[in-house]
Amino acid sequence: EVQLEESGGGLVQPGGSLRLSCAASGFIFSNYAMYWVRQAPGKGLEHVSAISLNGGSTYYANSVKGRFTISRDNSKNTLYLQMGSLRPEDMAVYYCARDSHNSGPYPPDYWGQGTLVTVSS
Amino acid sequence: QSALTQPRSVSGSPGQSVTISCTGTNSDVGGYNYVSWYQQLPGKAPKLMIYDVSKRPSGVPDRFSGSKSGNTASLTISGLQAEDEADYYCCSYPGSYPVIFGGGTKLTVL
Repeated sequence: EVQLEESGGGLVQPGGSLRLSCAASGFIFSNYAMYWVRQAPGKGLEHVSAISLNGGSTYYANSVKGRFTISRDNSKNTLYLQMGSLRPEDMAVYYCARDSHNSGPYPPDYWGQGTLVTVSS
Repeated sequence: QSALTQPRSVSGSPGQSVTISCTGTNSDVGGYNYVSWYQQLPGKAPKLMIYDVSKRPSGVPDRFSGSKSGNTASLTISGLQAEDEADYYCCSYPGSYPVIFGGGTKLTVL
């Protein structure tokens, strides 16, 4: 069974940093591009970042470019999102998701349960 | 790239059928057969209901079906049940990042 489990969310002050992790199991992690998708309170889904199978290629939404860094450790089956210079508008539930056709940018199939990031002083 | 266009809300009575539309362009919905639909219950993660326009993952009831015509994809739920009340999102392969989502549709079962 495919499972994705995020962790690392919490309350952070504006300008602060946070590192999200996503532990994957039930599939060959290194065979899939992976995504971070966020959902602000009461809003829709936004594709924030993506990373290729071996981590050699990455994508960032303009809203987070230069502030967030996506990475992966295929030996640990784990996806990361390092978030810096956080702004109130970054407050959202962050979901880890798997590309449905391996190499992206296809719609995701499996999603984690999400981790809430609150940016407030 | 702009978000795909979905109606903000739809409603139907138990047993009826409802259809949710998702309109894009020939660069996303119309250009590829890679449209997915997700159901999101309150406080929960999105769940895949339809992929590749019309394919159902294992475990999804056959009351859920997907189709596409031109630049518009559709999700049809037949035999509406109370537990179908949720937000529904479409998503399309766009040729290059980012993956594009629709704005979401709130389904109310009357």
